[in-house]
This record gives sequence, C-alpha cells and structure tokens, in this order.
Amino acid sequence: GEDVEQSLFLSVREGDSSVINCTYTDSSSTYLYWYKQEPGAGLQLLTYIFSNMDMKQDQRLTVLLNKKDKHLSLRIADTQTGDSAIYFCAPSKDNAGNMLTFGGGTRLMVKP
Amino acid sequence: DTGVSQDPRHKITKRGQNVTFRCDPISEHNRLYWYRQTLGQGPEFLTYFQNEAQLEKSRLLSDRFSAERPKGSFSTLEIQRTEQGDSAMYLCASSGMTGGVYNEQFFGPGTRLTVL
Repeated sequence: GEDVEQSLFLSVREGDSSVINCTYTDSSSTYLYWYKQEPGAGLQLLTYIFSNMDMKQDQRLTVLLNKKDKHLSLRIADTQTGDSAIYFCAPSKDNAGNMLTFGGGTRLMVKP
Repeated sequence: DTGVSQDPRHKITKRGQNVTFRCDPISEHNRLYWYRQTLGQGPEFLTYFQNEAQLEKSRLLSDRFSAERPKGSFSTLEIQRTEQGDSAMYLCASSGMTGGVYNEQFFGPGTRLTVL
C-alpha cells in the first residue's frame, strides 16, 4: 500500500513563506491532495495537483510536484496567523472515489 | 446544503459499552466514507459506501465495528464492547460525481470518542 511521510512540525513568522513537504511511495498516484485541519475541526480541502503537472498556483498557495522523486510540497506565501493548522497530503490513484491515504500531518505554527 | 454533518460531536463512554455515531452526507453525494484519526496521526480509512452498498472495509474495522447506510443517505457506525484503544476522532466524508468522475471528499467535523 501507499506510505506517505511528512515532517511533524514547522514554525514560521507572520509574513514569511511556509513550505510543507510530503513524500509518497506509490508511483501510480495521479491526484495529490492537500487538506487543512484546524483544532477540533474536520478536514478542509485546500488544493490538489494532477500528476501530469509540475506546479499549480492558487492565490497564496503553490504546489510543486516532483513525480520522479515522489515528492510534493505546499508553499504558502505571506503566511498569516490564521494559517496555523495541521496540513495533510493525500495521494490518490484515481478520481474513481476510492479511499484516501493520508500522511501524518505537519503542524504549522505562525508566530506574530 | 450546509455540508457533511456528524452527531454527536463528542461521546464519552465506559469500557465495554456500545456506541453509535451518525453521519449525514451532502445530499447529492452517493459515496460516503468513514475514517478514524488518533491523536497526532493522519486519518486512517475504515470503510466506504456507494449508495447503500458497502464497497470496501479496512482491516482496522474489527468485528466489533459495523457500519450501515440503509437507504443510501445517512450512515451509522457502531462500536460494540468499546475498548480504550477505540478512543479517537471518527471522521465522515462524502463525494459525488461530476462529468463521470468523482470530486474531492468533503469531511464532516468528526465525532470525538473517549473511552474511560
């Protein structure tokens, strides 16, 4: 099965950029999702990228994909205190509605 | 539609008791998923339904766990003879199709179970 690894913790100052990294093992993963979880809440989809893309930008979010190395990153520009949360990457083989395999999550702390 | 809802939000029970959780998906979504999230970990897949049919179950879903979606709308997850290791957040998600492909999964707020 798929193994997904993320670093546990990231601390940045308000206004700086944050980069959250993710590695996965299944090279057939074609849809790669990023979810955000705030304390006591469910998961909110932030963005996703298809495996035929290297980069996707969505306002302050930039997703980079290195398919050869099976490495995914999420960059948040001008990080705000409201961005403090846990971020999960979740690769998926297809868009057939199958289950997701999540990484352990990266806790982002934004200091004012 | 306001999204995926789950009830209750919190449940405290004693070891050995049975508990049941409910999930109401987004109304037009035919797929419904259950995940379990323990403290400091990412969600782990338990099971999912397409309409009323249960299509896949994880090996995490022991025989003490049962899930149903009798009319293809809401779903229930029951845990019998709860153990302290069952303490976790139970997350429900749903997804629907657009143009023949499934969209992303939308998650509910979760039910936090504490087994004393």
